[in-house]
Amino acid sequence: DQQVKQNSPSLSVQEGRISILNCDYTNSMFDYFLWYKKYPAEGPTFLISISSIKDKNEDGRFTVFLNKSAKHLSLHIVPSQPGDSAVYFCAASPLQGGSEKLVFGKGTKLTVNP
Amino acid sequence: DGGITQSPKYLFRKEGQNVTLSCEQNLNHDAMYWYRQDPGQGLRLIYYSQIVNDFQKGDIAEGYSVSREKKESFPLTVTSAQKNPTAFYLCASRKGIARGEAFFGQGTRLTVV
Repeated sequence: DQQVKQNSPSLSVQEGRISILNCDYTNSMFDYFLWYKKYPAEGPTFLISISSIKDKNEDGRFTVFLNKSAKHLSLHIVPSQPGDSAVYFCAASPLQGGSEKLVFGKGTKLTVNP
Repeated sequence: DGGITQSPKYLFRKEGQNVTLSCEQNLNHDAMYWYRQDPGQGLRLIYYSQIVNDFQKGDIAEGYSVSREKKESFPLTVTSAQKNPTAFYLCASRKGIARGEAFFGQGTRLTVV
């Protein structure tokens, strides 16, 4: 059973516009969430994270929003740039007796067109 | 420079042979992870370790084994019991405070023929 879901396999946006990537989770014990960016044949690189005590975290062009009641988070990229084209993964970590388990979604491939 | 290193980058093995993938980190991180990536499947957790001499099964541990004898090292053995071993394998480490980012290695592409 997939605990972290990214239901959109792909997203295409125009350069300069906003990209919104969505992520849903099913495990109510998850309380720390991360977004990663990945290029083919490379390891993922960290973008931004959010703790469940917040509903928004911003870092430059990247903003993550968390809606705990809906078990939903989203990553906003504004403005989108062609270099942002990559696969984006959502990840979640539970607060269960100090467990370090880190679970990822299937990813969304973002294409930013010039 | 501090980082996490996976070796080799490409690995070929014959069917039925066990193979061990290396993962070393010098970040002084307590937690380490192994993931497998297949097309359309995202990153699936194989095993993770929170401290030395301790590790936990992830979501797809069958056919794999690990050890954590040193803080810096978390090798993954793909055994002959793993039915579909050909994949891209990623190792990661994390500080171990149940927060903060995980740092990833560059991955190992295993091909079993």
